[in-house]
Amino acid sequence: DQQVKQNSPSLSVQEGRISILNCDYTNSMFDYFLWYKKYPAEGPTFLISISSIKDKNEDGRFTVFLNKSAKHLSLHIVPSQPGDSAVYFCAASRPGAGSYQLTFGKGTKLSVIP
Amino acid sequence: ETGVTQSPTHLIKTRGQQVTLRCSSQSGHNTVSWYQQALGQGPQFIFQYYREEENGRGNFPPRFSGLQFPNYSSELNVNALELDDSALYLCASSPAWEDEKLFFGSGTQLSVL
Repeated sequence: DQQVKQNSPSLSVQEGRISILNCDYTNSMFDYFLWYKKYPAEGPTFLISISSIKDKNEDGRFTVFLNKSAKHLSLHIVPSQPGDSAVYFCAASRPGAGSYQLTFGKGTKLSVIP
Repeated sequence: ETGVTQSPTHLIKTRGQQVTLRCSSQSGHNTVSWYQQALGQGPQFIFQYYREEENGRGNFPPRFSGLQFPNYSSELNVNALELDDSALYLCASSPAWEDEKLFFGSGTQLSVL
């Protein structure tokens, strides 16, 4: 049972436009959410995170929005650049797990077209 | 500052064999986690080590085991390999004060024939 879902396997966006990547979760115990970016032949790289006590977190061109009632989060990239082309993973964690365990979605492959 | 390094990068084994994968943590990081990423899937948590002790485990059978050494490097051992064990195995380290921000290595691609 997928507790973190990224329903769009791929997304294509023109350079300079906004990229919006979506993520849904089912476990209401999740309280911290992260986005990781992965280039081919490399490990995932931390991008941005948000705590469940917030509804928005911004870091440069990247903004993550959290809607707890809908169990939905999204990553906005503005403006999109060709170097942003990668696979983006949404991940979530819950308190009291004893260790820091992340539950990942299957990823969305973003292609930014020059 | 050296990042997380994993060895080997690729490995081919046959069903029933045993394999050991290695990971060197990023300098200053004392927590290491292992994830399995099957083709087309997101990484799945195997287990985490802190101060040489396992302090969390995902839904993986006991034939998946690990070690963490005093220098915080780590090994993942898999016994009695099965075809479904074919995957990318990712090691990640994190500092104790910021353990949500995992720093991943490039992974070991394991193929079981």
